[in-house]
Amino acid sequence: AQTVTQSQPEMSVQEAETVTLSCTYDTSESDYYLFWYKQPPSRQMILVIRQEAYKQQNATENRFSVNFQKAAKSFSLKISDSQLGDAAMYFCAYKESNYQLIWGAGTKLIIKP
Amino acid sequence: DGGITQSPKYLFRKEGQNVTLSCEQNLNHDAMYWYRQDPGQGLRLIYYSQIVNDFQKGDIAEGYSVSREKKESFPLTVTSAQKNPTAFYLCASRILPDGDSEQYFGPGTRLTVT
Repeated sequence: AQTVTQSQPEMSVQEAETVTLSCTYDTSESDYYLFWYKQPPSRQMILVIRQEAYKQQNATENRFSVNFQKAAKSFSLKISDSQLGDAAMYFCAYKESNYQLIWGAGTKLIIKP
Repeated sequence: DGGITQSPKYLFRKEGQNVTLSCEQNLNHDAMYWYRQDPGQGLRLIYYSQIVNDFQKGDIAEGYSVSREKKESFPLTVTSAQKNPTAFYLCASRILPDGDSEQYFGPGTRLTVT
């Protein structure tokens, strides 16, 4: 069965610095999708970024980018120029087409002013 | 504004009572989902529905029931058979066919059973 592992329960970073959150997954499939979601203290889940496995280019959304290593089954999230509003739980999720999302346990990101 | 509403935000019930959590979306999405979130864990899928009058069990369906009589609505009933119902419940929806389409989430309901 597919699994998603986020090995960092908590991370902290100084405001304006860069932080990387790690995510690994286990699958035997070659075509799938990966997502990072953010859950701030309001608990509203928000999509941060997505990646299709067959695309070699790493996805980027403003200050958020991913390092997708397909062979290593790794999907880390890099947040540049960290802002106070980035403080949240971050969840990595995996999905094959027509199947449901499988979620990691989350990483709590703390931003130090 | 299009979105997903869940009500109420906080819900308190006595043990042994059934309780229904509301989820409504006006995004015209085909699929709807119910997740349970516990501290230190990722989201766990309770039930999902891809079409009106049809739904499937997720990983932790025991003690829960759902209905999908309208495309916009997907209420979740937490029954007295659910052994540990206190949790945060999230409803989500998505357009189909999905591929990498985003799941949109409601604001959640915090259920406390004493």
